[in-house]
Amino acid sequence: AQSVAQPEDQVNVAEGNPLTVKCTYSVSGNPYLFWYVQYPNRGLQFLLKYITGDNLVKGSYGFEAEFNKSQTSFHLKKPSALVSDSALYFCAVRDMNFNKFYFGSGTKLNVKP
Amino acid sequence: NAGVTQTPKFRVLKTGQSMTLLCAQDMNHEYMYWYRQDPGMGLRLIHYSVGEGTTAKGEVPDGYNVSRLKKQNFLLGLESAAPSQTSVYFCASSPTGSGQPQHFGDGTRLSIL
Repeated sequence: AQSVAQPEDQVNVAEGNPLTVKCTYSVSGNPYLFWYVQYPNRGLQFLLKYITGDNLVKGSYGFEAEFNKSQTSFHLKKPSALVSDSALYFCAVRDMNFNKFYFGSGTKLNVKP
Repeated sequence: NAGVTQTPKFRVLKTGQSMTLLCAQDMNHEYMYWYRQDPGMGLRLIHYSVGEGTTAKGEVPDGYNVSRLKKQNFLLGLESAAPSQTSVYFCASSPTGSGQPQHFGDGTRLSIL
């Protein structure tokens, strides 16, 4: 069965410092991995994805993610955090057999000035 | 360019009442999904559809029914609302293709008293 784990409920970082939000996955077959961001009272917005190819993928708002097949991880990163990056972040994996997406429980990112 | 539109945005029901949540997308996407979001639990799939006239159960389908009579619309029904169904409901759509992310509406906040 497909599953996604986000081991941290909350990540705190100072503005200007690098940030990492962790995600590990379990899939049968090739992983199709996604990161989404959710701002208060809004729906999820797509940030970036890994389908195949380069292990470092770049997305919106300066975010990037590193795919590591041996560690089954897909961590979200940003070199320099902004206060406006404070939001809820979700990792997801797509099950191509049933056209479903499985989401992690979410990580709240707090960036302090 | 509306994307995914959910109506209503807020609703308060009494236990035992029924209601229908409407999701409309204008992107000609084949797949549509209904999720509920509860604190600390991420997004849980209720029902989904891979095309007009088709529906399938997700992770937490009990107490809900769906219909997809038109490609652009996906309706979620609660026949007899229960307090446990108090949640934020999100609709999403996606095109076919393994690399395609989901597009989300802004949610319906539903309280059952």
